[in-house]
Amino acid sequence: EVQLLESGGGLVQPGGSLRLSCAASGFTFINHAMSWVRQAPGKGLEWVSGISGSGGTMYYADSVKGRFTVSRDNSKNTLYLQMNSLRAEDTAVYSCAKELHQRRYYGMDVWGRGTTVTVSS
Amino acid sequence: QSVLTQPPSASGTPGQRVTISCSGGSSNIGSNTVDWYQQLPGTAPKLLIYSNDQRPSGVPDRFSGSKSGTSASLAISGLQSEDEADYYCAAWDDRLNGRVFGGGTKLTVL
Repeated sequence: EVQLLESGGGLVQPGGSLRLSCAASGFTFINHAMSWVRQAPGKGLEWVSGISGSGGTMYYADSVKGRFTVSRDNSKNTLYLQMNSLRAEDTAVYSCAKELHQRRYYGMDVWGRGTTVTVSS
Repeated sequence: QSVLTQPPSASGTPGQRVTISCSGGSSNIGSNTVDWYQQLPGTAPKLLIYSNDQRPSGVPDRFSGSKSGTSASLAISGLQSEDEADYYCAAWDDRLNGRVFGGGTKLTVL
């Protein structure tokens, strides 16, 4: 069964850091780009970051550029999101998603259930 | 404010056909493909349409997508009560160098 399982969320103070993980199973991880998507409470979907299958190319939304870093360990079938300088507006459920292609972003066919990040003092 | 523009709400009666629009610009829909997602309450999004009009296996053919210029549409025919959900369009944006989503459309089945 194709599955994505996020972990690492929690409560953090403004300015703090968190590292999210996404464990993948049931498919050839290196053959697919991966994305992080977040959803603030009661709001819509917001794409956060993407990384190619090889891990050589990363993309970021302007709202997180310079603060978040996406990476992957293809030997462990795991995707990461390092989040620094967190702000209240980063509070959301963060989900990882499998892209259909190794390098292009035109469809996310598998989603995790998400992990909740709350930034508050 | 979302880069892609969707109506905040739509509605229809069982059996009816409804369409949801998604408007963008030359750097996103105008030059890249559109995908559509369905999010039922309390669940993860589900891919409905990719590459403008392609359905993943398992998605009923009641769902169809189209694109023209800088706009795209999702059509749902034979509306069912279980179609009540939030629907999002998305595309790659060459200017922003990232994915962009629409603000979402809440579909109500009356």
